[in-house]
Amino acid sequence: AQTVTQSQPEMSVQEAETVTLSCTYDTSESDYYLFWYKQPPSRQMILVIRQEAYKQQNATENRFSVNFQKAAKSFSLKISDSQLGDAAMYFCAMGYSGGGADGLTFGKGTHLIIQP
Amino acid sequence: DTAVSQTPKYLVTQMGNDKSIKCEQNLGHDTMYWYKQDSKKFLKIMFSYNNKELIINETVPNRFSPKSPDKAHLNLHINSLELGDSAVYFCASSPYPDSTYEQYFGPGTRLTVT
Repeated sequence: AQTVTQSQPEMSVQEAETVTLSCTYDTSESDYYLFWYKQPPSRQMILVIRQEAYKQQNATENRFSVNFQKAAKSFSLKISDSQLGDAAMYFCAMGYSGGGADGLTFGKGTHLIIQP
Repeated sequence: DTAVSQTPKYLVTQMGNDKSIKCEQNLGHDTMYWYKQDSKKFLKIMFSYNNKELIINETVPNRFSPKSPDKAHLNLHINSLELGDSAVYFCASSPYPDSTYEQYFGPGTRLTVT
């Protein structure tokens, strides 16, 4: 069974600063994918960033980047130059190749607060 | 164009009733899913359909039944609603077995059972 753990129920950061959200996972699969999803108050689930486990290079999308440590089974999200619009719930999720029909396994989420 | 749509967005009903939530995707994806998000925001897979075939069925009550009339639609029927069914239900689709398996979510349906 796969598990995803987000140990920070809530994080707070000043606008324009950098914040890192933590995620650890456990799986016996060798080929898997990791995701960060954002859920603002509108409740829409928005894909922020994706990382393929077979890639050593950390994924980056504009102000969002990940620190993927495969051996440690860690997948943290760094948000640079935080903006008020970044305030949301952030979910770490995992899926595995060949198991795409099994859906994603989600962590419990981190509520990110942006202080103006 | 909305990629994954759900109707209704809000549903309030009484215990014991039967209700349906509709989902449509226009992405041409082969696999669709239903997730449940509980009051603590925890998201858990309920069902997935691949080419109109049920692939998995997590331990959900058999009062819940997915129905897929075609590849673009996956509806969720719920019989004999209970208080504990109150949650947000998300439909999603994925290009699985192609591509990198990220899922595209609908806007969610907030179900309130009174």
